[in-house]
Amino acid sequence: AQRVTQPEKLLSVFKGAPVELKCNYSYSGSPELFWYVQYSRQRLQLLLRHISRESIKGFTADLNKGETSFHLKKPFAQEEDSAMYYCALAYSGAGSYQLTFGKGTKLSVIP
Amino acid sequence: EAGVTQFPSHSVIEKGQTVTLRCDPISGHDNLYWYRRVMGKEIKFLLHFVKESKQDESGMPNNRFLAERTGGTYSTLKVQPAELEDSGVYFCASSQDWGTVYGYTFGSGTRLTVV
Repeated sequence: AQRVTQPEKLLSVFKGAPVELKCNYSYSGSPELFWYVQYSRQRLQLLLRHISRESIKGFTADLNKGETSFHLKKPFAQEEDSAMYYCALAYSGAGSYQLTFGKGTKLSVIP
Repeated sequence: EAGVTQFPSHSVIEKGQTVTLRCDPISGHDNLYWYRRVMGKEIKFLLHFVKESKQDESGMPNNRFLAERTGGTYSTLKVQPAELEDSGVYFCASSQDWGTVYGYTFGSGTRLTVV
């Protein structure tokens, strides 16, 4: 069965410091991985997808199949990055296209 | 375009009562999904509608939960009778096409508290 693990419940960093939010997955197929973000009082929104190899708001994430990881990184944290971050794995199950989420990591950027 | 709208934003009910959550997807989106996050746990898939049909309801926890999508527009999720462990945040999402998570748009969620 597929599984997504985010080992840190809370991560606090100072403004300007590098950030790394960890995500590990378990999946027998070819993974399709995402990072979602939820800012305070806002809805869950897609941050980035591994398949696009993009950088959004300065964040990047590289899929490492050997380590089954998809860590989210940013070189210099900003206060506006404070939010809940969820790593998610997409797969097809029972004729549907589902997301399996990790428990989430709350990022707090200290001014 | 208007986003995915969920009602109510918060609901507090007593154990044994009934609660109905509503989701209005983005107009024209055939695919509608329900997810929920209970305290301390992951956001988990509940079910997927394609228009008015249930494509996949493998994530529904038990028969106290009933989801409908009459006419393929808005959807309701009824919990009857509610139990304490049903407390959590219920998310709805919609997409034009299935098979592309890129097109998922989530609602703000309904926070359900069962006391």
